[in-house]
Amino acid sequence: KAGVTQTPRYLIKTRGQQVTLSCSPISGHRSVSWYQQTPGQGLQFLFEYFSETQRNKGNFPGRFSGRQFSNSRSEMNVSTLELGDSALYLCASSFTGVGEKLFFGSGTQLSVL
Amino acid sequence: GESVGLHLPTLSVQEGDNSIINCAYSNSASDYFIWYKQESGKGPQFIIDIRSNMDKRQGQRVTVLLNKTVKHLSLQIAATQPGDSAVYFCAEKGRGATNKLIFGTGTLLAVQP
Repeated sequence: KAGVTQTPRYLIKTRGQQVTLSCSPISGHRSVSWYQQTPGQGLQFLFEYFSETQRNKGNFPGRFSGRQFSNSRSEMNVSTLELGDSALYLCASSFTGVGEKLFFGSGTQLSVL
Repeated sequence: GESVGLHLPTLSVQEGDNSIINCAYSNSASDYFIWYKQESGKGPQFIIDIRSNMDKRQGQRVTVLLNKTVKHLSLQIAATQPGDSAVYFCAEKGRGATNKLIFGTGTLLAVQP
């Protein structure tokens, strides 16, 4: 069974641009969560989706948004990029997403110049 | 953000020794806890989990201990191997219909051959 797949693996953008990251969960998993990882702040929760509905959202500005499609695949978007948005963005999936282990992808490393 | 990661503690052990990694969690209402291992360039990998109605759980070479009285979680790795070298994160989930995880700062485990 394939794991969580995130594309692209690396991305370089400039300030002010926007970016879309993609995540394909493990087959059969209906819950997708996104996390941001930086050396200074560690792993921080961005948002969580289940059956195309956002179930929970972290403390990030409105420039960060996401969505989930009917096939459970998910995308997150960051608009008007800032230097501080440089981070590893991790996607994780689980069956229903309540009290279950999350399986993480390898992440998308975003660099904002 | 909710995760503070300004300093990464390091645990250095000899190959073959047992390792104990500790974690203090923040929310006494958390009902689910997970340990993850993260190697360089990869996403977090699930190691073991435990629910709040348990105080100990064992896996292959790993044991997790939960002390709810002092809000403390520990991961014990038996016969530590060079391949165990990585950053280890504990994570907690609050009650309710969500799988949002709050991650600890992480501990770098360095195994000396």
